[in-house]
This record gives sequence, C-alpha cells and structure tokens, in this order.
Amino acid sequence: AQSVTQLDSHVSVSEGTPVLLRCNYSSSYSPSLFWYVQHPNKGLQLLLKYTSAATLVKGINGFEAEFKKSETSFHLTKPSAHMSDAAEYFCVVSPFSGGYNKLIFGAGTRLAVHP
Amino acid sequence: KAGVTQTPRYLIKTRGQQVTLSCSPISGHRSVSWYQQTPGQGLQFLFEYFSETQRNKGNFPGRFSGRQFSNSRSEMNVSTLELGDSALYLCASRTEGGTGELFFGEGSRLTVL
Repeated sequence: AQSVTQLDSHVSVSEGTPVLLRCNYSSSYSPSLFWYVQHPNKGLQLLLKYTSAATLVKGINGFEAEFKKSETSFHLTKPSAHMSDAAEYFCVVSPFSGGYNKLIFGAGTRLAVHP
Repeated sequence: KAGVTQTPRYLIKTRGQQVTLSCSPISGHRSVSWYQQTPGQGLQFLFEYFSETQRNKGNFPGRFSGRQFSNSRSEMNVSTLELGDSALYLCASRTEGGTGELFFGEGSRLTVL
C-alpha cells in the first residue's frame, strides 16, 4: 500500500531564509511523486514532479526536491523564502496500480513566512 | 487556454437535500477526477472519469455519484446531505499519457447546515 507522511504540520520561517518541508513516502512500486501548493481559497497548483528521471527535481518559483530512495524521502526546499510562499503544501504519491488520478495526499504543511 | 472551471464556487444546503457540482476541464483534457478536502480528513479521492466512463472510485458511500458528458464536462452529485459532507470539492483534469500532472480548479465550497 502507498502512503505519504508530511513530518511537519506547520513550518515558520523568516523572509529570505531557507525553506525545508519534509515528506516521507511508502510505495510498493517505483512511485511518481509530486508537490502541490494551495493558497487560501484557491485550488492546487503543481510545484514539481518526480517520475524516475533525475533525482533532483526543479520546480516553479525556485523550489526543488530531491528523491532519496534509500531514505524514502522527497523533501521540498527553497534557498530563500518570499512572503508570497506562505501557503499550504502537499506531498503526493501516485500509486502505480491505481492510476495517476487516484493520488494519495499527505496531510499538508502550512508554511508561514514572517518579515 | 482557460483553466479548470468549477461552479458554483460557494453554496449552502441543509441536511437531507441534494447538490450537484459542475466541472469544465481544460480544453483537450478527457480525464476528470474529483477530490473532497476537509480539515479532518484532508484531501481524499472521490472518483475519476474518462470518456464518459468511471475509471476509478474512492471509498465514499453511494450518496456520492458523478458523470461525464461527451464534451468531457463532469458533474458530481451528493444526495441526502449530511453535516459531514461540508467540504471543498476539487475537480482536476489531465491529458492521457505523460507523467500524470493534474490541473485543479478552485473548488466548490459546500456548507451543510
């Protein structure tokens, strides 16, 4: 069975400092992994995706994530936080057998950015 | 290119009523899926439609149903509403093939009183 665990429900950083949002996954197959962001009262937007190509994945708005199979992790990072990064972030796994649409979402990490 | 459009954006119903939510996918996208988002349960997969056929279904009771039309537009229906059905219902579409990126609408926020 597949599952996703986001290790922090809330993360607070100062503007200009690095961001680290942690995600561990469990999958019986080689998974596809995604990070989505949701701003208040908005839908979800894809930040980046891993699909068994390069293990370091670059996304939009300066975010990147590294797939580490040995650690079953897919942590999201950004070198310098911006006020506009304040949002909720979801780590997502796509089960091989269930199809791409039957995504399994982590519980989410709410990122706060302080001036 | 227009994004995924969901209507209505907000609605209030009372227990026992039924509701229909609509989703227009991105032009050319034939796969539409629905998710329920609540503070307690997070984001949960409801169902997926492709070419007017339900292809996958999540673990929701039969009160939750959906359909897809020949133009790929989709509707979901919830009958006999319960307080616990209050949620943000998100629709997403994608093309076949590729790496599975879903494009989400802004959701329909349902409040059941």
